[in-house]
Amino acid sequence: QVQLQESGPGLVKPSETLSLTCTISGGSISGYYWSWIRQPPGKGLEWIGYMQHSGSTNYNPSLQSRVTVSVDTSKNQFSLKLSSVTAADTAVYYCARYITGVGRSYFDNWGQGALVTVSS
Amino acid sequence: DIQMTQSPSSLSASVGDRVTITCRASQSISSYLNWYQQKPGKGPKLLIYAASSLESGVPSRFSGSGSGTDFTLTISSLQPEDFASYYCQQSYITPHTFGQGTKLEIK
Repeated sequence: QVQLQESGPGLVKPSETLSLTCTISGGSISGYYWSWIRQPPGKGLEWIGYMQHSGSTNYNPSLQSRVTVSVDTSKNQFSLKLSSVTAADTAVYYCARYITGVGRSYFDNWGQGALVTVSS
Repeated sequence: DIQMTQSPSSLSASVGDRVTITCRASQSISSYLNWYQQKPGKGPKLLIYAASSLESGVPSRFSGSGSGTDFTLTISSLQPEDFASYYCQQSYITPHTFGQGTKLEIK
């Protein structure tokens, strides 16, 4: 069973860059899409974007100018960078595996989530 | 963006009850609709994909139906471990979007 674990600073100052890493265990990063999704406290889920192991990316237009997702196949990890953060970026950030095929696309494995607070 | 609207936002029910949650898309999404369960402090868990396909390992009391714009998640006989929040999500087109969630509470 694939397991995902987010890691990174829990506190980021306004205007700085949020950086998180997702480590994959029990499976390979190759052959799949890898995604980030966030959830502000007490609110719903927002898709941030994903990257295929080969390098193609797709980002939410609402965040596209500030987001970068990258993959490190040698470490079986993928990462999120979100620049110029504000308090509105405070959220639990989840990494997830995205499966896509004929007539179906879904997030089948999720991490536990990492709370990132934006505050000075 | 495609808007996903769930109803109800919250629901009180008892163990053994049959429960239905609905999800409506702002435009047709064919059968590109998924359902997730989320418990406090945990990441979401996939229950149903492609509107009606049960994810491996998910109990058969969970079922999904619908296509186009209207979808339902049904729990046939609530168990204590089913009290959680439920989210629908469309994967027809990016940006992927989620419903606002339904919190299922014990009556």
